[in-house]
Amino acid sequence: EDQVTQSPEALRLQEGESSSLNCSYTVSGLRGLFWYRQDPGKGPEFLFTLYSAGEEKEKERLKATLTKKESFLHITAPKPEDSATYLCAVPAQNYGGSQGNLIFGKGTKLSVKP
Amino acid sequence: DARVTQTPRHKVTEMGQEVTMRCQPILGHNTVFWYRQTMMQGLELLAYFRNRAPLDDSGMPKDRFSAEMPDATLATLKIQPSEPRDSAVYFCASGLGDRGLKGKNIQYFGAGTRLSVL
Repeated sequence: EDQVTQSPEALRLQEGESSSLNCSYTVSGLRGLFWYRQDPGKGPEFLFTLYSAGEEKEKERLKATLTKKESFLHITAPKPEDSATYLCAVPAQNYGGSQGNLIFGKGTKLSVKP
Repeated sequence: DARVTQTPRHKVTEMGQEVTMRCQPILGHNTVFWYRQTMMQGLELLAYFRNRAPLDDSGMPKDRFSAEMPDATLATLKIQPSEPRDSAVYFCASGLGDRGLKGKNIQYFGAGTRLSVL
């Protein structure tokens, strides 16, 4: 069964204190790994897609990396506005790889204190 | 600024009442998803459509939930009768639905409908 596990569940950082969030997955034939950001009272907002091991994507203070079994979201010198829940997801392996649903992890709630 | 629009944003109802949630996908997107989010279960797929045809509704309780796309600009999710355990945030998402094409299978989410069934 396809699974996505995120750790830690919650992370508290001081402003400027860099850290990483983990997303591990068990799925055969990975067809992309997605990172989303979700603010309270809002829907998930797309951040990155990674497709192959070794791939990296960056956006401001965020960098996502991918290996064959997991992905990391590195946060460098975070600011309070980076506080949010970060979700990772993989496409369910159905319909021959066409756009089926995403299987989401339960997220990491990040709090950055000034 | 293209976005997925969901209405209503909040709904409070009593057990046994019918609830209808609506979604306007991004213009040009051919795939629409309905997800439910709770603290315990996280985001779970309820159903999804491609070109208005249902492809998968295995996550939806069939006896009380129904999802339709009357036209390309409107998707609906109905609960009848509603129960307290249906209380959650319901999200609609849309995408281009190309087969595995890199960059084409991103899903864009609406702001959600927060449902409370008393």
